[in-house]
Amino acid sequence: QVQLVESGGGVVQPGRSLRLSCAASGFSFSLYGMHWVRQAPGKGLEWVAVIWDDVSNKYYGDSVKGRFTISRDNSKNTLYLHMNSLRAEDTAVYYCAREDAMAGTPLDNWGQGTLVTVSS
Amino acid sequence: QSVLTQPPSASGTPGQRVTISCSGSSSNIGRNYVYWFQQLPGTAPKLLIYRNDQRPSGVPDRFSGSKSGTSASLAISGLRSEDEADYYCAAWDESLNSYVFGTGTVVTVL
Repeated sequence: QVQLVESGGGVVQPGRSLRLSCAASGFSFSLYGMHWVRQAPGKGLEWVAVIWDDVSNKYYGDSVKGRFTISRDNSKNTLYLHMNSLRAEDTAVYYCAREDAMAGTPLDNWGQGTLVTVSS
Repeated sequence: QSVLTQPPSASGTPGQRVTISCSGSSSNIGRNYVYWFQQLPGTAPKLLIYRNDQRPSGVPDRFSGSKSGTSASLAISGLRSEDEADYYCAAWDESLNSYVFGTGTVVTVL
């Protein structure tokens, strides 16, 4: 079955960087687009970024544009989120999620999330 | 900041029908499909409705979606206690070149 496991979260100081990973299994990773979505404590969902299966396109939410970079290594079945210049408002649980473009189902499977806390 | 507006809460007794609205604009709902997600307490969100009114396999037919113009709705019929959750709509926004989520609705079963 589809499994997505995020890792790399933790406590980081404002202005520092962090890289999140999402290990995928149970499906042909290279054939699917992948997203990052975050949720601040007690708040709603906020879409962060998407990368297409062939890496030809990447899109970002306004609040992370220029600071975060989404990437993937199809040989390792792994999705990444490189986060720079972190701010307190980036504190959130970060989820990775799969997109099945052929079926028309974005965000059809989600990981359990990894918590990032930006604090001095 | 959410671009799609939902009522903060909705409630009903077991067996009742509850409807949640999602209001957007011509750059998102007006041009693109709407998706609905259910988030049970302490868990990751789950895709509930895709392409406005389609249910992924395993989603009960008590859940239904619809779209008209720049608004969409999620209906839960035959409300059950296990439907207590947060519900979010989402759509691609052509102006922002990003997905946008709704503000979220907490459904309570009385």
